[in-house]
Amino acid sequence: AQSVTQLGSHVSVSEGALVLLRCNYSSSVPPYLFWYVQYPNQGLQLLLKYTSAATLVKGINGFEAEFKKSETSFHLTKPSAHMSDAAEYFCAVSEYGNKLVFGAGTILRVKS
Amino acid sequence: DTAVSQTPKYLVTQMGNDKSIKCEQNLGHDTMYWYKQDSKKFLKIMFSYNNKELIINETVPNRFSPKSPDKAHLNLHINSLELGDSAVYFCASSQDAARGVRQFFGPGTRLTVL
Repeated sequence: AQSVTQLGSHVSVSEGALVLLRCNYSSSVPPYLFWYVQYPNQGLQLLLKYTSAATLVKGINGFEAEFKKSETSFHLTKPSAHMSDAAEYFCAVSEYGNKLVFGAGTILRVKS
Repeated sequence: DTAVSQTPKYLVTQMGNDKSIKCEQNLGHDTMYWYKQDSKKFLKIMFSYNNKELIINETVPNRFSPKSPDKAHLNLHINSLELGDSAVYFCASSQDAARGVRQFFGPGTRLTVL
């Protein structure tokens, strides 16, 4: 079975600072990886996904993630944080039947 | 038009009751899912249907019974509700059940069992 570990349940950055949210995966097959964002009391919105086409994946709202097979990582970054980025972020891997296995989530706080 | 919709958005009920949550997608997708998000925000799949057939059934108590009357609908019926069933339930859909296909999520149904 595949699994996802998100390091850091809470990350706090200043507005304009770099955002780095960490995700490591465990998979015996080439992984399909996703980052979703959840704003308070809302559903999940896809930020980006990796499906082996390119190791650097660009998503919505200025986010990107780099797939590193040697490190089994898929960290999410954004060069400059905005107040509107405050939310919870979930990394996920797709398994058989396309079921998503999620990490525990990272709450991003952006300070003004 | 909302792509994946769920009703109701909020559901408050007493222990022992039976309740249903409905999900509809207008994307023409073949595959639909139910996920549960617990009080610690942990998300876990419960069920998945592909072309109205059950393909994923995680270790969920048999008090939970999904029903897919057609490809656009996947309902979740819960019997004899317990306190531990309190959670947010998300419906999702995807074009098919191949690994890596994007899933679209509904807004969630917050179930509170008193």
